[in-house]
Amino acid sequence: RKEVEQDPGPFNVPEGATVAFNCTYSNSASQSFFWYRQDCRKEPKLLMSVYSSGNEDGRFTAQLNRASQYISLLIRDSKLSDSATYLCVVNVRGYSTLTFGKGTMLLVSP
Amino acid sequence: ETGVTQSPTHLIKTRGQQVTLRCSSQSGHNTVSWYQQALGQGPQFIFQYYREEENGRGNFPPRFSGLQFPNYSSELNVNALELDDSALYLCASSMGLESSTDTQYFGPGTRLTVL
Repeated sequence: RKEVEQDPGPFNVPEGATVAFNCTYSNSASQSFFWYRQDCRKEPKLLMSVYSSGNEDGRFTAQLNRASQYISLLIRDSKLSDSATYLCVVNVRGYSTLTFGKGTMLLVSP
Repeated sequence: ETGVTQSPTHLIKTRGQQVTLRCSSQSGHNTVSWYQQALGQGPQFIFQYYREEENGRGNFPPRFSGLQFPNYSSELNVNALELDDSALYLCASSMGLESSTDTQYFGPGTRLTVL
């Protein structure tokens, strides 16, 4: 089983759609959780951290379920500029390394 | 911009050669992590340096080695290059174990092609 698994993509959605990404992780010692965004041939950029209580940043909402070892990212009112690969990332506290999923590509069309 | 810089941007080498990649961390950060990202994959952890000492290593052979300097910049060295080493090499800087969240900020990467 891979340490971090994400929905296979790509997701093709029209502008204005709501899209959800799912991610599961295998290491129960994981303590920090993130979503990164990566544009084509660019470096990953932190989109948002994910907290147990869930958190929202504008059109983006992240949820964490520790019991199920499941993380999600919801994007509302998709924009063309949201087209990118979304990477689910976990960090095992004390080891200070990031474990990435393979990423899910999102394509938003006019 | 994250303030993390990497050089060179692109590099072409042949099998068996050696390569050195460089990374300057964000001001105030003492930890540098290196990742390899093959096409269509997520980044994979190579190793991390914290205050000039190696602080963890991923599943990479010994021909991948590194250094961190007193100013916290870092080098990644790869000996005896193989075709499968072709990838985007990313460095990320952070406050490491001194941070409650250890958010890592990535440089633009070095794209290595091995022919």
